Amino acid sequence: AQRVTQPEKLLSVFKGAPVELKCNYSYSGSPELFWYVQYSRQRLQLLLRHISRESIKGFTADLNKGETSFHLKKPFAQEEDSAMYYCALSGGGGYQKVTFGTGTKLQVIP
Amino acid sequence: EAGVVQSPRYKIIEKKQPVAFWCNPISGHNTLYWYRQNLGQGPELLIRYENEEAVDDSQLPKDRFSAERLKGVDSTLKIQPAELGDSAVYLCASTRSRQEQYFGPGTRLTVT
Repeated sequence: AQRVTQPEKLLSVFKGAPVELKCNYSYSGSPELFWYVQYSRQRLQLLLRHISRESIKGFTADLNKGETSFHLKKPFAQEEDSAMYYCALSGGGGYQKVTFGTGTKLQVIP
Repeated sequence: EAGVVQSPRYKIIEKKQPVAFWCNPISGHNTLYWYRQNLGQGPELLIRYENEEAVDDSQLPKDRFSAERLKGVDSTLKIQPAELGDSAVYLCASTRSRQEQYFGPGTRLTVT
């Protein structure tokens, strides 16, 4: 079974402070990990995926297979980063089932 | 491009009534997903289609839920009869092969 855990329902940080949204997963094979974001009154959209190894809007995430984690980080939070963030896992090998975490609401305080 | 289209956006029904949701995926996307998202939770997969074939419906409550994807394009998700616990946001998403999923705006269902 595959599972995604986001331990924080709400994370409040001040503008300019570093951000780390935690994500841990459980999967026996080689997963693909994603971060999706939902801004207020907008639809869910992909923020980044681990295989791309790129930085989007200043966010990065590194897959740590030893710790089965895929934490999302940004060195300096901005007010426009306030949103719901969902970590998601897709089983590898062509199987497209995606399991989402419960989400973390990021609140950036001006 | 309009993206994934869902209708209706909101629906309020009484329990035991039927309800249907419609989804039009992005053109060329062969994979279509229906998710249910309860308040304070992440999306939970109900069913996944590869073209017109339902390849993963293990999470679909088949006693009251049904879905179809005729001609491998549009899809309809139906609940009959609805129960109070079915109140949630129903999301449709589509993707091409192993690319990212594109989500629709969702249908917020309230069962009274």
